[in-house]
Amino acid sequence: DVQLVESGGGLIQPGGSLRLSCAVSEFNVNENFMGWVRQAPGRGLEWLSVVYPSDTGGRTYYGDFVRGRFTISRDSSKNAIFLHMDSLRADDTAVYFCAGAIRPTYERGLFDQWGQGTLVTVSS
Amino acid sequence: IQMTQSPSSLSASVGDRVTITCRASQDITHFLAWFQQKPGRAPKPLIYAISSRQSGVPSRFSGSGFGTQFTLTISSLQPEDFATYYCQHYDGYPRTFGQGTKVEI
Repeated sequence: DVQLVESGGGLIQPGGSLRLSCAVSEFNVNENFMGWVRQAPGRGLEWLSVVYPSDTGGRTYYGDFVRGRFTISRDSSKNAIFLHMDSLRADDTAVYFCAGAIRPTYERGLFDQWGQGTLVTVSS
Repeated sequence: IQMTQSPSSLSASVGDRVTITCRASQDITHFLAWFQQKPGRAPKPLIYAISSRQSGVPSRFSGSGFGTQFTLTISSLQPEDFATYYCQHYDGYPRTFGQGTKVEI
Protein backbone atom coordinates (compact mmCIF):
# COMPACT_ATOMS: atom_id res chain seq x y z
CA ASP A 1 0.00 0.00 0.00
CA VAL A 2 1.04 3.57 -0.64
CA GLN A 3 2.20 5.37 2.48
CA LEU A 4 3.17 8.99 3.04
CA VAL A 5 4.65 9.77 6.44
CA GLU A 6 5.41 13.35 7.44
CA SER A 7 7.93 14.33 10.10
CA GLY A 8 9.80 17.38 11.29
CA GLY A 9 6.98 19.33 12.88
CA GLY A 10 7.18 20.86 16.31
CA LEU A 11 7.45 24.14 18.19
CA ILE A 12 9.46 26.88 16.51
CA GLN A 13 9.94 30.54 17.39
CA PRO A 14 8.70 33.30 15.09
CA GLY A 15 11.29 34.12 12.46
CA GLY A 16 12.78 30.65 12.61
CA SER A 17 13.19 27.98 9.95
CA LEU A 18 12.01 24.41 9.77
CA ARG A 19 12.22 21.57 7.27
CA LEU A 20 9.40 19.08 6.97
CA SER A 21 9.99 15.66 5.46
CA CYS A 22 7.63 13.23 3.80
CA ALA A 23 8.83 9.65 3.43
CA VAL A 24 6.94 7.87 0.68
CA SER A 25 6.61 4.16 0.02
CA GLU A 26 5.08 2.30 -2.93
CA PHE A 27 4.80 5.58 -4.87
CA ASN A 28 7.66 7.10 -6.83
CA VAL A 29 8.13 10.76 -5.91
CA ASN A 30 10.24 11.33 -9.02
CA GLU A 31 7.56 10.13 -11.44
CA ASN A 32 4.51 11.71 -9.86
CA PHE A 33 3.10 15.03 -8.65
CA MET A 34 3.90 15.73 -5.01
CA GLY A 35 2.80 18.61 -2.84
CA TRP A 36 1.90 20.12 0.49
CA VAL A 37 -1.40 21.33 1.93
CA ARG A 38 -1.88 22.78 5.41
CA GLN A 39 -4.70 23.32 7.85
CA ALA A 40 -4.57 25.81 10.71
CA PRO A 41 -6.28 24.64 13.92
CA GLY A 42 -10.05 24.73 13.46
CA ARG A 43 -9.66 26.25 10.00
CA GLY A 44 -9.92 25.17 6.38
CA LEU A 45 -7.45 23.72 3.91
CA GLU A 46 -4.76 25.83 2.29
CA TRP A 47 -2.96 24.63 -0.84
CA LEU A 48 0.78 25.34 -0.47
CA SER A 49 2.96 23.86 -3.15
CA VAL A 50 3.52 21.24 -5.83
CA VAL A 51 6.54 19.77 -7.57
CA TYR A 52 6.08 18.23 -11.00
CA PRO A 53 7.58 14.92 -12.10
CA SER A 54 11.19 15.11 -13.21
CA ASP A 55 10.29 14.21 -16.81
CA THR A 56 8.39 17.50 -17.03
CA GLY A 57 11.28 19.50 -15.66
CA GLY A 58 10.41 19.35 -11.99
CA ARG A 59 8.56 22.66 -12.05
CA THR A 60 7.38 24.04 -8.72
CA TYR A 61 4.44 26.27 -7.80
CA TYR A 62 3.48 27.96 -4.54
CA GLY A 63 0.54 29.52 -2.79
CA ASP A 64 0.48 33.30 -2.46
CA PHE A 65 1.05 33.37 1.30
CA VAL A 66 4.14 31.17 1.24
CA ARG A 67 5.85 32.04 -2.02
CA GLY A 68 9.35 33.30 -1.31
CA ARG A 69 9.42 31.80 2.19
CA PHE A 70 8.74 28.10 1.53
CA THR A 71 10.63 25.79 -0.82
CA ILE A 72 9.54 22.33 -1.94
CA SER A 73 12.17 19.79 -2.94
CA ARG A 74 12.58 16.12 -3.65
CA ASP A 75 15.22 13.47 -2.96
CA SER A 76 14.78 10.60 -5.38
CA SER A 77 17.35 8.43 -3.62
CA LYS A 78 15.28 8.55 -0.43
CA ASN A 79 11.93 8.66 -2.23
CA ALA A 80 10.99 11.64 -0.11
CA ILE A 81 9.86 15.22 -0.48
CA PHE A 82 10.58 18.17 1.76
CA LEU A 83 9.20 21.57 2.62
CA HIS A 84 11.76 24.09 3.81
CA MET A 85 10.07 26.94 5.64
CA ASP A 86 11.77 30.24 6.46
CA SER A 87 10.69 33.38 8.32
CA LEU A 88 7.97 31.52 10.11
CA ARG A 89 5.08 33.48 11.57
CA ALA A 90 2.37 32.68 14.07
CA ASP A 91 -0.15 32.28 11.25
CA ASP A 92 1.96 29.44 9.79
CA THR A 93 0.81 27.31 12.74
CA ALA A 94 -0.98 24.38 11.16
CA VAL A 95 -1.04 20.68 10.41
CA TYR A 96 1.00 20.17 7.26
CA PHE A 97 -0.09 17.37 4.93
CA CYS A 98 2.09 15.78 2.29
CA ALA A 99 0.14 14.65 -0.77
CA GLY A 100 0.67 13.01 -4.13
CA ALA A 101 -1.01 11.98 -7.36
CA ILE A 102 -0.27 10.23 -10.60
CA ARG A 103 -0.54 12.41 -13.71
CA PRO A 104 -4.15 11.60 -14.74
CA THR A 105 -5.37 12.24 -11.20
CA TYR A 106 -3.42 15.46 -10.79
CA GLU A 107 -4.75 16.72 -14.11
CA ARG A 108 -8.19 16.34 -12.55
CA GLY A 109 -7.11 18.73 -9.83
CA LEU A 110 -6.77 16.05 -7.21
CA PHE A 111 -4.21 14.76 -4.78
CA ASP A 112 -5.40 11.27 -3.84
CA GLN A 113 -2.48 10.04 -1.73
CA TRP A 114 -2.17 11.76 1.63
CA GLY A 115 -0.12 11.53 4.77
CA GLN A 116 -1.52 11.89 8.27
CA GLY A 117 -0.03 15.35 8.76
CA THR A 118 2.54 16.90 11.06
CA LEU A 119 1.82 19.81 13.40
CA VAL A 120 3.92 22.96 13.23
CA THR A 121 3.45 25.48 16.03
CA VAL A 122 5.03 28.90 15.66
CA SER A 123 5.15 30.61 19.02
CA SER A 124 7.55 32.33 21.39
CA ILE B 1 -8.85 33.15 -7.49
CA GLN B 2 -11.01 33.23 -4.37
CA MET B 3 -13.40 30.39 -3.66
CA THR B 4 -16.41 31.11 -1.44
CA GLN B 5 -18.63 28.39 -0.05
CA SER B 6 -22.06 28.63 1.52
CA PRO B 7 -23.27 27.84 3.99
CA SER B 8 -20.31 27.53 6.35
CA SER B 9 -22.22 24.87 8.25
CA LEU B 10 -25.55 23.11 8.11
CA SER B 11 -27.54 20.69 10.20
CA ALA B 12 -29.24 17.78 8.51
CA SER B 13 -30.67 14.35 9.18
CA VAL B 14 -30.01 10.96 7.66
CA GLY B 15 -31.93 10.74 4.41
CA ASP B 16 -31.97 14.49 3.78
CA ARG B 17 -30.96 16.06 0.48
CA VAL B 18 -28.08 18.46 1.06
CA THR B 19 -26.75 21.13 -1.30
CA ILE B 20 -23.53 23.10 -0.85
CA THR B 21 -22.67 26.07 -3.04
CA CYS B 22 -19.24 27.23 -4.18
CA ARG B 23 -18.56 30.48 -6.02
CA ALA B 24 -15.32 31.39 -7.80
CA SER B 25 -14.15 35.00 -8.03
CA GLN B 26 -13.52 34.53 -11.74
CA ASP B 27 -14.47 32.11 -14.49
CA ILE B 28 -12.79 28.74 -13.91
CA THR B 29 -14.87 26.94 -16.56
CA HIS B 30 -14.88 23.27 -15.50
CA PHE B 31 -11.75 23.23 -13.28
CA LEU B 32 -13.55 22.53 -10.03
CA ALA B 33 -13.07 19.68 -7.55
CA TRP B 34 -14.69 18.70 -4.25
CA PHE B 35 -13.07 17.07 -1.22
CA GLN B 36 -14.48 15.52 1.95
CA GLN B 37 -12.66 15.71 5.27
CA LYS B 38 -13.50 14.01 8.53
CA PRO B 39 -12.04 15.17 11.88
CA GLY B 40 -8.42 14.19 12.33
CA ARG B 41 -8.19 12.77 8.83
CA ALA B 42 -6.67 13.84 5.56
CA PRO B 43 -8.98 15.13 2.83
CA LYS B 44 -10.52 12.64 0.43
CA PRO B 45 -11.19 13.60 -3.18
CA LEU B 46 -14.80 13.20 -4.25
CA ILE B 47 -15.43 14.95 -7.54
CA TYR B 48 -13.43 16.55 -10.34
CA ALA B 49 -14.35 18.51 -13.46
CA ILE B 50 -17.50 19.76 -11.71
CA SER B 51 -19.42 16.50 -11.82
CA SER B 52 -17.16 13.46 -12.35
CA ARG B 53 -16.99 11.19 -9.35
CA GLN B 54 -13.63 9.85 -8.24
CA SER B 55 -13.38 6.05 -8.22
CA GLY B 56 -15.31 4.52 -5.35
CA VAL B 57 -17.41 7.61 -4.54
CA PRO B 58 -21.09 6.73 -4.10
CA SER B 59 -23.58 7.94 -6.68
CA ARG B 60 -25.48 9.95 -4.06
CA PHE B 61 -22.74 12.57 -4.47
CA SER B 62 -23.19 14.78 -7.52
CA GLY B 63 -21.84 18.07 -8.75
CA SER B 64 -23.11 20.73 -11.11
CA GLY B 65 -22.46 24.23 -12.35
CA PHE B 66 -20.02 25.99 -14.66
CA GLY B 67 -17.91 29.11 -14.77
CA THR B 68 -18.26 30.72 -11.37
CA GLN B 69 -21.16 28.94 -9.65
CA PHE B 70 -21.04 25.32 -8.54
CA THR B 71 -22.95 22.99 -6.28
CA LEU B 72 -22.30 19.71 -4.51
CA THR B 73 -25.41 17.68 -3.76
CA ILE B 74 -25.78 14.68 -1.50
CA SER B 75 -29.08 13.13 -2.54
CA SER B 76 -29.73 11.11 0.61
CA LEU B 77 -27.41 11.86 3.50
CA GLN B 78 -25.87 8.81 5.14
CA PRO B 79 -24.28 8.60 8.61
CA GLU B 80 -20.78 8.41 7.11
CA ASP B 81 -21.37 11.66 5.18
CA PHE B 82 -21.20 13.89 8.23
CA ALA B 83 -17.98 15.75 7.49
CA THR B 84 -16.60 19.01 6.13
CA TYR B 85 -16.67 19.57 2.39
CA TYR B 86 -14.31 21.79 0.42
CA CYS B 87 -14.37 22.99 -3.15
CA GLN B 88 -11.06 23.68 -4.88
CA HIS B 89 -10.27 25.20 -8.25
CA TYR B 90 -7.47 23.93 -10.46
CA ASP B 91 -7.52 26.57 -13.15
CA GLY B 92 -3.87 27.50 -12.88
CA TYR B 93 -1.85 28.43 -9.82
CA PRO B 94 -2.12 28.89 -6.99
CA ARG B 95 -4.88 26.41 -6.44
CA THR B 96 -7.25 27.54 -3.70
CA PHE B 97 -9.86 25.91 -1.53
CA GLY B 98 -13.15 27.27 -0.32
CA GLN B 99 -13.41 27.82 3.42
CA GLY B 100 -15.38 24.60 3.91
CA THR B 101 -18.93 23.57 4.76
CA LYS B 102 -19.44 21.46 7.85
CA VAL B 103 -22.35 19.04 7.60
CA GLU B 104 -23.57 18.20 11.10
CA ILE B 105 -26.27 16.04 12.53
